[in-house]
Amino acid sequence: RKEVEQDPGPFNVPEGATVAFNCTYSNSASQSFFWYRQDCRKEPKLLMSVYSSGNEDGRFTAQLNRASQYISLLIRDSKLSDSATYLCVVNMKSNTGKLIFGQGTTLQVKP
Amino acid sequence: TAGITQAPTSQILAAGRSMTLRCTQDMRHNAMYWYRQDLGLGLRLIHYSNTAGTTGKGEVPDGYSVSRANTDDFPLTLASAVPSQTSVYFCASSELAGGSQFFGPGTRLTVL
Repeated sequence: RKEVEQDPGPFNVPEGATVAFNCTYSNSASQSFFWYRQDCRKEPKLLMSVYSSGNEDGRFTAQLNRASQYISLLIRDSKLSDSATYLCVVNMKSNTGKLIFGQGTTLQVKP
Repeated sequence: TAGITQAPTSQILAAGRSMTLRCTQDMRHNAMYWYRQDLGLGLRLIHYSNTAGTTGKGEVPDGYSVSRANTDDFPLTLASAVPSQTSVYFCASSELAGGSQFFGPGTRLTVL
């Protein structure tokens, strides 16, 4: 089993749609969680950290479910510019610096 | 603000040759990392450094070496390149080990 698993997609949605991605992780001792966005042929960029109580940043909402070992990303009112690959990232133990990246979920927002 | 810079942007290298990929950050981050990204395999950690003067092995360290003589620079060296090292290489840094990481623009390396 992979340490961090994501559905690769692609998710094809119309503008204005709400879309959600899930990501599961294998190590129950994982302590830090992030969502990154990567555009084609570009570097990954931090979208948001994921906190235990859940957190929101504009149209983006991240949730953590420790009992089921998954994190989610919800995007409301999708824009064309949201088209990208979204990477789920987990730090298995704090202070080691080793982030484990999922392979990413591709989102295509259509006009 | 430059953030993280990488050089070169791209390179074609003959198998058996050596090469150093450069990475410099100006954020005074303690930790730095090297990843490679291959289609279908995602980002894989090659080496990391939690603070200047220390380095550690990641998931795929074989064929690569690093040094961290100061806070800002973290070069990655391929001593004798092989075609399987064809990849996109990303350097990253974080303020502290375990924190969110900021990535450089990447180096696209082709080994023939």
